Amino acid sequence: NAGVTQTPKFQVLKTGQSMTLQCAQDMNHNSMYWYRQDPGMGLRLIYYSASEGTTDKGEVPNGYNVSRLNKREFSLRLESAAPSQTSVYFCASRGSYEQYFGPGTRLTVT
Amino acid sequence: GENVEQHPSTLSVQEGDSAVIKCTYSDSASNYFPWYKQELGKGPQLIIDIRSNVGEKKDQRIAVTLNKTAKHFSLHITETQPEDSAVYFCAATYTDKLIFGTGTRLQVFP
Repeated sequence: NAGVTQTPKFQVLKTGQSMTLQCAQDMNHNSMYWYRQDPGMGLRLIYYSASEGTTDKGEVPNGYNVSRLNKREFSLRLESAAPSQTSVYFCASRGSYEQYFGPGTRLTVT
Repeated sequence: GENVEQHPSTLSVQEGDSAVIKCTYSDSASNYFPWYKQELGKGPQLIIDIRSNVGEKKDQRIAVTLNKTAKHFSLHITETQPEDSAVYFCAATYTDKLIFGTGTRLQVFP
């Protein structure tokens, strides 16, 4: 079992470029989440998906879109990257209670 | 909105001493309280959790206590070791999401 996997591990974008962060889980979990982590601010929820076919906004959704492609995969898209989106992005999936995190994507927008 | 406060933000202890990290939450409906350990460059790892029908839970050198009346929960690490050095996050449920504290950087000196 790989658990939660994320690609890429690192990415540098120029302002205005777009990109998609990929996430997959092999634990057959219904719920999946995207967070961003900034220094001193903990983990903030961007979007989540309670089940295949549904998505909902979290605390900081502006500038992002998501797609729950199937039960395994949940992608996060930046349509027009801004320097304020420089952060570390984590995907997570949830079983009955526990959330399990991926290794993260470190994104820099210049 | 709902929030989780975590203290202290940094904690330095001598190897072998105990460490205590405290959190308070605002939503009286919260019923699940996990603790995560995050090492440099990695994703958060679930180390222990507690549900609202339990007051204390232990797993070897770590324990979590919950006071639902006061809306407090704490992480206790005994006999600390250098490998316990990391950032620790508490969290509490809010509907089907987790709200995270801002983290505690624990340093254990040999």
